[in-house]
Amino acid sequence: QVQLVQSGAEVKKPGASVKVSCKTSGYTFTTYGITWVRQAPGQGLEWMGWVSTYNGDTKYAQKVQGRVTMTADTSTSTAYMELRSLRSDDTAVYFCARDWAGVYWGQGTLVTVSS
Amino acid sequence: DIQMTQSPSTLSASVGDRVTITCRASQSISSWLAWYQQKPGKAPKLLIYKASSLESGVPSRFSGGVSGTEFTLTISGLQPDDFATYYCQQYNFYSTFGQGTKVEIK
Repeated sequence: QVQLVQSGAEVKKPGASVKVSCKTSGYTFTTYGITWVRQAPGQGLEWMGWVSTYNGDTKYAQKVQGRVTMTADTSTSTAYMELRSLRSDDTAVYFCARDWAGVYWGQGTLVTVSS
Repeated sequence: DIQMTQSPSTLSASVGDRVTITCRASQSISSWLAWYQQKPGKAPKLLIYKASSLESGVPSRFSGGVSGTEFTLTISGLQPDDFATYYCQQYNFYSTFGQGTKVEIK
């Protein structure tokens, strides 16, 4: 069965970086891209970007462009999202999802940014 | 950027009601629109893709429609399990979510 399993919760200080992983299984990794979405506490869903697992091509939301890097490791079928220069308003649950309209999602990773 | 304007933000309804949620795109997105249901502490669940295609396993009381740049999600006969927050998502050019609609018990 298809699974996306994300790394555990993180607590970071403002200005630091965080790297969240999304390990996939149950399908051919390079067939579908990976989308990253975040949700601040009590807020709606925010699309952050997408990475092609086939060739590494990326598309980022303007709001995080310049601070985010999304990558895909085909040897481990794992996607990564790194966010730099963290601010308090980056505190959110970060989700990965398979493809642009996600049937399959990770369980979410809470990233807390606090001094 | 393509903006998605979702309405209403909150909807109070009773079991058995027919409810409709609307999303309007700021420009043409063809039919590249999905609808999700989300419950607290959970990942979103895909209900509808390509504006009107029902995802496998989703009850047939959920349906999606489109007229130009206006998209609708209709729940025909609200069930207790349907009280949740619903989001639209365009994926024609990059991607954008609507602001969400919380369906609560009247």
